[in-house]
Formats: sequence, C-alpha cells, structure tokens
Amino acid sequence: GAVVSQHPSWVICKSGTSVKIECRSLDFQATTMFWYRQFPKQSLMLMATSNEGSKATYEQGVEKDKFLINHASLTLSTLTVTSAHPEDSSFYICSVKTGRTEAFFGQGTRLTVV
Amino acid sequence: AQSVAQPEDQVNVAEGNPLTVKCTYSVSGNPYLFWYVQYPNRGLQFLLKYITGDNLVKGSYGFEAEFNKSQTSFHLKKPSALVSDSALYFCAHTGFQKLVFGTGTRLLVSP
Repeated sequence: GAVVSQHPSWVICKSGTSVKIECRSLDFQATTMFWYRQFPKQSLMLMATSNEGSKATYEQGVEKDKFLINHASLTLSTLTVTSAHPEDSSFYICSVKTGRTEAFFGQGTRLTVV
Repeated sequence: AQSVAQPEDQVNVAEGNPLTVKCTYSVSGNPYLFWYVQYPNRGLQFLLKYITGDNLVKGSYGFEAEFNKSQTSFHLKKPSALVSDSALYFCAHTGFQKLVFGTGTRLLVSP
C-alpha cells in the first residue's frame, strides 16, 4: 500500500502562533489527500479534501481561513493552523486514497496549544 | 445518509477467547466497507475490506470480517484474541472518495 509520512508527530505552540503540518505520499502520486481531526476518545472528523493544484474542499463547519490547506504537488499537502488557540489542540491525521480502495494514513500529529 | 454504526463503545475479552467487534451499515447501492485499527497516538492501519465477492473477508493480523447483506452488518472477528490486539477499531464506508467512519470501538484484551 501507499506509504504516507506526516510531520511533525507532535508539536506544542503558543496561543496566537501558526503551525504547519506536512503530509507526504512517499511512493504514490496523490491527486487527493484528506485531512481529519480526532478528539480524545472520539472518531475521525473529516476536515477537508486537499486537491493537487486547486483549492481544498472544506467540510461544513470547518473554517477555511483558520485551517489553510495547500496541495502544491502530487506528493505533498500541508495543513496550517493559523492563530492557534487551545481549542485547536487535537490529533490531526492525513490520508491518501484512490477510488474505492483502502485509504492509507499518516501517523498523525498531536497539536497542543498553550 | 450513508453511515456506519458501531454500537459498542468498548469490548472486553480475555486473551485466547474469540472476539467480535460489531458494525452495521446504512448504504444505498453496493457497500464498500473497511476495518481500521488505531493504536495510541498513531494513525490508522488498514485491516481488511469488503468490495465484492466472498462474504468472509480475511485480513491482517488474523482478523476477518463477515459481510451480511440481510442484516446489513460487517462484524470484525478473530478466533483467538491477543493482549496486543487491544486498540481502537473503526469500521468505515466509502463512496467514490470520502471515508465515513463509525464512532469506534475500544477493544481491551485482558491477560
């Protein structure tokens, strides 16, 4: 299956600063990547679909200006949490999927905003 | 709306005993169903999928799942549980692109 690398694995930042999370598809050209958010002991919530070379598609209720997504190449998508606040603290996971095959997930990023 | 449901928040089983983690689906058309496992502070790992064909699907780490169309279920099973199977398990359905996850079931296997 596809190998997806997510970086960093964890990050602590001060309130008001911005944090960038990278998602790389190491062996697969991904025209589409997905970004999820997971709260403790809860399921994954799809935040947005990242499309290579075009704007991301955000799910209802997700602030596009707060969670900036850039998918500049077939192997890299980035999620930037802008002006982070403690309520943005969460576990963020990216994935790669084609058609109806299984999805491959990054290892996740634990964001803590203090 | 297309959805999958996991009715149990937690399943407890003793090591060596068989385990079942339940999943039901509500999908129009042919269902495309998956099971994933998540260990603490990690991403999701693919276990198995049902697209078409045999109703009994075998996957990674000795897990299998049975697709039952009449009961709209896709329960995950393993004949003999290991302590290392303790993790969070997600059932999921996909349309063309998006994965829709169930709420997850925490499996605890006691020694």
